[in-house]
Amino acid sequence: SSELTQDPAVSVALGQTVRITCQGDSLRSYYASWYQQKPGQAPLLVIYGKNNRPSGIPDRFSGSSSGNTASLTITGTQAEDEADYYCNSRDSSDNHPVVFGGGTKLTVL
Amino acid sequence: QVQLQESGPGLVKPSGTLSLTCAVSGGSISSGNWWSWVRQPPGKGLEWIGEIYHSGSTTYNPSLKSRVTISVDKSKNQFSLKLTSVTAADTAVYYCARVYSSSSMNWFDPWGQGTLVTVSS
Repeated sequence: SSELTQDPAVSVALGQTVRITCQGDSLRSYYASWYQQKPGQAPLLVIYGKNNRPSGIPDRFSGSSSGNTASLTITGTQAEDEADYYCNSRDSSDNHPVVFGGGTKLTVL
Repeated sequence: QVQLQESGPGLVKPSGTLSLTCAVSGGSISSGNWWSWVRQPPGKGLEWIGEIYHSGSTTYNPSLKSRVTISVDKSKNQFSLKLTSVTAADTAVYYCARVYSSSSMNWFDPWGQGTLVTVSS
């Protein structure tokens, strides 16, 4: 399968921990990368590889993977973390080399 | 640091050709990375269109492959997208991005700011 599946929406109380998941067969072979997108802005890379954060991304963002599921965890969620989050990976099949998840809308209560 | 900037017409007529260019600054397009186009229809998710290496090697989304051409101009440090036979379904914000890719991981960073292309008569 060349699809990555994400929950459409997740909510979290301010200051709490939230996990956003991404499922797909390609994740058995590839690590997911994660992107934050706020309204009217381009996606911003927040996690790549096993659990790497680009410079400038707060350490409350972390990534993990198990089997066909990748997770993005935000510990101590802040109001500014409210955004859409997308996962991405390559696919080992030639039919669809690169895939994005459908996105998760994170609401901070 | 590398920055990307998309440019091109914001309005294309149905059945016409969408043409966009991504200018790369702060680094060389021959740096060893792939370079990609991603689009996002209004209110929807991200869709990968395709990618190119500085050598000219390309990979495309199978669902768009018959209509897409991505090319590179090393002399101008830019790469381009052409999408033919467009319909309203091709209306989207189009992003360009640098790609890092290895045997076990793939990520896009940085991204251009995006440009909205509307298909309408």
